[in-house]
This record gives sequence, structure tokens and C-alpha cells, in this order.
Amino acid sequence: DQQVKQNSPSLSVQEGRISILNCDYTNSMFDYFLWYKKYPAEGPTFLISISSIKDKNEDGRFTVFLNKSAKHLSLHIVPSQPGDSAVYFCAAALQGAQKLVFGQGTRLTINP
Amino acid sequence: ETGVTQSPTHLIKTRGQQVTLRCSSQSGHNTVSWYQQALGQGPQFIFQYYREEENGRGNFPPRFSGLQFPNYSSELNVNALELDDSALYLCASRTGGTDTQYFGPGTRLTVL
Repeated sequence: DQQVKQNSPSLSVQEGRISILNCDYTNSMFDYFLWYKKYPAEGPTFLISISSIKDKNEDGRFTVFLNKSAKHLSLHIVPSQPGDSAVYFCAAALQGAQKLVFGQGTRLTINP
Repeated sequence: ETGVTQSPTHLIKTRGQQVTLRCSSQSGHNTVSWYQQALGQGPQFIFQYYREEENGRGNFPPRFSGLQFPNYSSELNVNALELDDSALYLCASRTGGTDTQYFGPGTRLTVL
């Protein structure tokens, strides 16, 4: 039972353009969402999060959008840079609960 | 501020053996979680420790066990290793007042 899904295994974007990574969830009780970036041979690095009381959160080049009615969130990266090439994971949680539930990840490649 | 550290980096064991993985939490973080990441998948929650007690567990058998020490560092023990235990094991820490978890670099376990 995959409660968090990232349906695109990979995404290729030209440098300077916008990268949009998508994530869907099934459990309507989730109320906190996070995005992590992972380079090979490293652990996931926290990027940005959003609480269910908001529909948008922005941090520099990164913006996360949450659509609760569609149970969908997305991460926008503008402008995309070569160093953004990595695997991106979305994760969901119940606030105060112990665990994060992760999607399968999307490999983002930024082309020069 | 010191981030989450894990040891060893890599480990090779044979079926039936036992293994202990170690984690030092980020400075100021009192809660530690362990995750298993199989190849091509997102991390899966194993368990969480707070104040030296396990206070949440995912869908993993009892041969996966852990400890947390007074300095908030933690161990993951796996008994009777199976081939499917081959994975990247990630430790994450957080403070009690936030749901954002910060990950270490992981230990790559190979079971032959």
C-alpha cells in the first residue's frame, strides 16, 4: 500500500528553466509534507516543508505547493541549476507522529 | 553544529550473521529514527527512539532492534541476517518540537 507516490521516475530539464516535481498521497490524515534531495552515497538533505494549513511555501529558488483536495503536492525549482541534479523524495507525516512516509523518488537531471 | 553521523560506511555480512550499526544524532536533537532504503525505493521507517525508549515502529520483524543512549546516540541491531536485508540504512534525528528529520549519510549493508 503505497501511501505516497511519485509517478515520474525521472525528469530532464534544461539549465535555467523551471523544474516541477510532483507527488500524490492517499492518506487524508497527513498534515505535514517535506521534500528531500539525495546525491549518490549521501543521506537525504532536507529542502523545504509545508504544513496542511498552508497551500504554498517558498524558500529561495524552491517553492512547494499543496493541493489538499487533490491530495497533491509539487516542488518548483526556478531557475534550475546543474547542482540540482539529484534524486528528489517527497515525504508525508502526521504532525507529532513518529515516522515519515516517503515516495519512490524522482531523478532530476539538469542539462547545460 | 555537528550533523548526523553514522558508522560504518559500508559493511558486508553473510546470511545468519548479526550486525550493529551506529548513529550520532545532530547536536541538540533528542529523537532518533532509523530507515531502510532498498535500491530504487524511498526510505522505509523501521523505528524511532525518544528518551532511550522505542516509541514507534514500522512493519519490520523483531529481529530488528535498537538502543538509544543518554547522549541521544543510537544503535540498530539486526539478527539472523537475510539476503533482503541488503540496503542503505539511514539514521535521522530531530528535536521533540519539530517534524523535520535530518539524515545521516547512511550505512550500506550487503548480505551475501
